[in-house]
Amino acid sequence: DTEVTQTPKHLVMGMTNKKSLKCEQHMGHRAMYWYKQKAKKPPELMFVYSYEKLSINESVPSRFSPECPNSSLLNLHLHALQPEDSALYLCASSHLLGQGLTGELFFGEGSRLTVL
Amino acid sequence: EDQVTQSPEALRLQEGESSSLNCSYTVSGLRGLFWYRQDPGKGPEFLFTLYSAGEEKEKERLKATLTKKESFLHITAPKPEDSATYLCAVQAPDKLIFGTGTRLQVFP
Repeated sequence: DTEVTQTPKHLVMGMTNKKSLKCEQHMGHRAMYWYKQKAKKPPELMFVYSYEKLSINESVPSRFSPECPNSSLLNLHLHALQPEDSALYLCASSHLLGQGLTGELFFGEGSRLTVL
Repeated sequence: EDQVTQSPEALRLQEGESSSLNCSYTVSGLRGLFWYRQDPGKGPEFLFTLYSAGEEKEKERLKATLTKKESFLHITAPKPEDSATYLCAVQAPDKLIFGTGTRLQVFP
């Protein structure tokens, strides 16, 4: 069982809707991530939070808005999405090492998003 | 340019037929190489971290090795439950770079 919990598991939304994806971890990790994954492709980094502050934004369109309310929670707010945004959205967490981020990520099971 | 290449793209094995997956990389300032397993529709599951050439890690039927240019994931006597996509990722100074994965199918 994964220790990173994502909700909802499936989401269908229209292009004018506003929805949110949620992620929770209780492993004491201080780095949290949003990745986007298309079929048969590797995960693609979107955002990184370190100590609850946004540290990396991989030039993601503003229709995706991340939020980190506390060290255990991570949200991704969605607004005015396009059909090409349909994908598996993965949340991950990790420890922070002295020199920065580590590649030992713990992923949730993902939220499957379909934009109509 | 930092790059990670995995081969083969897909691999079909008979149960018990051992094989190896390859991950070749070019990166300035390697800070670690990571192997993940991903089942369809699920998030990747962390398997191994390798930091330096010559290092080896084992877990059940899996063994990961690292050289200065590539890593191998050896699968000994695989079972159908080993069927998954295996992802390799390399930690560069400022980012984690994933390969495109090897889709492994093990048939009984």
